[in-house]
Amino acid sequence: QKEVEQDPGPLSVPEGAIVSLNCTYSNSAFQYFMWYRQYSRKGPELLMYTYSSGNKEDGRFTAQVDKSSKYISLFIRDSQPSDSATYLCAAEGTGGFKTIFGAGTRLFVKA
Amino acid sequence: DVKVTQSSRYLVKRTGEKVFLECVQDMDHENMFWYRQDPGLGLRLIYFSYDVKMKEKGDIPEGYSVSREKKERFSLILESASTNQTSMYLCASSSGQNQETQYFGPGTRLLVL
Repeated sequence: QKEVEQDPGPLSVPEGAIVSLNCTYSNSAFQYFMWYRQYSRKGPELLMYTYSSGNKEDGRFTAQVDKSSKYISLFIRDSQPSDSATYLCAAEGTGGFKTIFGAGTRLFVKA
Repeated sequence: DVKVTQSSRYLVKRTGEKVFLECVQDMDHENMFWYRQDPGLGLRLIYFSYDVKMKEKGDIPEGYSVSREKKERFSLILESASTNQTSMYLCASSSGQNQETQYFGPGTRLLVL
């Protein structure tokens, strides 16, 4: 079993839709949770990160972590064609340097 | 603005060749990483380095080695390339105090024939 599981999609939505991207993880020691966005032919870039459980909002993006169910979510409101990319969830424990990435979900937002 | 550059965007090599992939970062970051990215498998850590001349194995180090002679430069070496090393290779860096934020280069797409 992978430490971080993510449905690779693809996920296709119309412009303006609310997008929900999800991951599960198995290691209870994970404390940092990240979402990276990767456009085609580019490297991933950090979109959001949260520490431990809770919500974090940044504009149209909301990251949510539920440590009791080991569930990581990213919500995108009012999705735009420019949001079309691969979204990777990631998790890391404290005191280490190893970030574990999910496989990435490919998102298409249609105009 | 953090910049991580990789020496090549695309490479085609033959089986058995020695391959060098170079990564340079300009933000004085302590930590540098090499990943490979394959469809359905996501990013997998090959090696990382938290200081000059220091290196640690990641999850899939077999068939690879690394070199970090200067803080800004981290090289990945495929001693004898094989077809199963065809992949996208991504370099990243992070500062010691904010390790959860990794900055990635654009990637090198390597094809081994």
